[in-house]
Amino acid sequence: AQTVTQSQPEMSVQEAETVTLSCTYDTSESDYYLFWYKQPPSRQMILVIRQEAYKQQNATENRFSVNFQKAAKSFSLKISDSQLGDAAMYFCAIMASDTNAGKSTFGDGTTLTVKP
Amino acid sequence: KAGVTQTPRYLIKTRGQQVTLSCSPISGHRSVSWYQQTPGQGLQFLFEYFSETQRNKGNFPGRFSGRQFSNSRSEMNVSTLELGDSALYLCASSRDPKLAGGPSYNEQFFGPGTRLTVL
Repeated sequence: AQTVTQSQPEMSVQEAETVTLSCTYDTSESDYYLFWYKQPPSRQMILVIRQEAYKQQNATENRFSVNFQKAAKSFSLKISDSQLGDAAMYFCAIMASDTNAGKSTFGDGTTLTVKP
Repeated sequence: KAGVTQTPRYLIKTRGQQVTLSCSPISGHRSVSWYQQTPGQGLQFLFEYFSETQRNKGNFPGRFSGRQFSNSRSEMNVSTLELGDSALYLCASSRDPKLAGGPSYNEQFFGPGTRLTVL
């Protein structure tokens, strides 16, 4: 079984500042993938960034980067130079590579507010 | 490339009725997964279909069923609707890199969802 925990139901950041969203997970799989998704008020789920567990290097996508600590089973998302358009609910998710292909387990989400 | 489409976008049904939701994946994607999103339970996995076969299943009652057609389009059906079935139903498609021998990840692309309200 896989579990994902997001301990921050809500976060707030000032425009242009940096914010970090936390995520911890648990899995018995050795090969898995981690994702951060953004869900704005439109409800369209958008992939923000992904991390392959076998890669030690942290993934980055423009202003978004992760701090992946495999031993600690931690996968936090850092948003730099926050913009008003970043306001949304953010979900952390895990998917095992083979045995649970197509099945993502999501955390409860963190609502991010960006203040102008 | 067109994204994942879901129809209808909104549905209102009454208890005891049944409903069918449709999902058209991105062209070339063979895997389709369904999720239920509610304020109380969050995002929960329903099932995943690949090449017309159910490959994975979540912990939902038998009232929830699905199928996939040869063109990868998928439908999910909920019979004997209950008030608690009111939710946003999300469909996600992904390619299956196993066939290509590439990295074994399944990046999922989500549709806009179908908002089901049961009265």
